[in-house]
Amino acid sequence: AAGVIQSPRHLIKEKRETATLKCYPIPRHDTVYWYQQGPGQDPQFLISFYEKMQSDKGSIPDRFSAQQFSDYHSELNMSSLELGDSALYFCASQRDTDTQYFGPGTRLTVL
Amino acid sequence: SQELEQSPQSLIVQEGKNLTINCTSSKTLYGLYWYKQKYGEGLIFLMMLQKGGEEKSHEKITAKLDEKKQQSSLHITASQPSHAGIYLCGETRWGKLQFGAGTQVVVTP
Repeated sequence: AAGVIQSPRHLIKEKRETATLKCYPIPRHDTVYWYQQGPGQDPQFLISFYEKMQSDKGSIPDRFSAQQFSDYHSELNMSSLELGDSALYFCASQRDTDTQYFGPGTRLTVL
Repeated sequence: SQELEQSPQSLIVQEGKNLTINCTSSKTLYGLYWYKQKYGEGLIFLMMLQKGGEEKSHEKITAKLDEKKQQSSLHITASQPSHAGIYLCGETRWGKLQFGAGTQVVVTP
C-alpha cells in the first residue's frame, strides 16, 4: 500500500538559510498535517490543510509558511533558520476523519 | 503542559514478558490513537479507539478505552525485540493530534 512520502529525508542548513520540506500524501487523502518533533519530545502540531486550504494552525513560527498544491502535495517553507529549528518534521495525511498516517519524517539539522 | 499523561515514562521488560502502558486524560477522549516510533523514524499507526469500553487487538498488542473515555491502556503479550521503541498515545482535537510524552520500551534477552 502507498504511504506518505517526505523529501528530503535529511537536510543540513546553516543559520539564517532557507529550507523547503515536501510531503506527498497517500492517494485520495484530502488532509495534510505538519508536525515538529524536537529531541526527546513528542510531535507538536504546526499546520494543516484540507482540500488545499489551510484548516488549522498551531505553534508555527512566522518564519515558516506552508501550502498545499493542486496535486495535494504540501510544502513547508522555513526561512531565517535558527539552531532551535533542528528537529524531525513529520507530515501526516488523512482521508475524511480517518486515521492520520505519518511519513518517515525529514531530519533538519541547523548548524 | 501535557494534557495526556503517559505512564510509565520508560520500562525495561524481559523478552517473553507482558507489559502495559497507560494513557490518562483529565477530559473525555473522543478519539484516542496509539502509535509506535523507532528512534528518529516515523510514527507507525497501531490502533484507534473511539467508544467507551472499546477494545482492539492486533497480533500481540491490545488497546482498551475505559467506559468513561478518560483512560486507555496498551498491553503487549509475550514481548519480543520487535516491540522495542517509543509508544505514543494521541488524541484528536479538531483534527490535529496532541500526544502524550511517550513511553520508551526496552526488551532485553
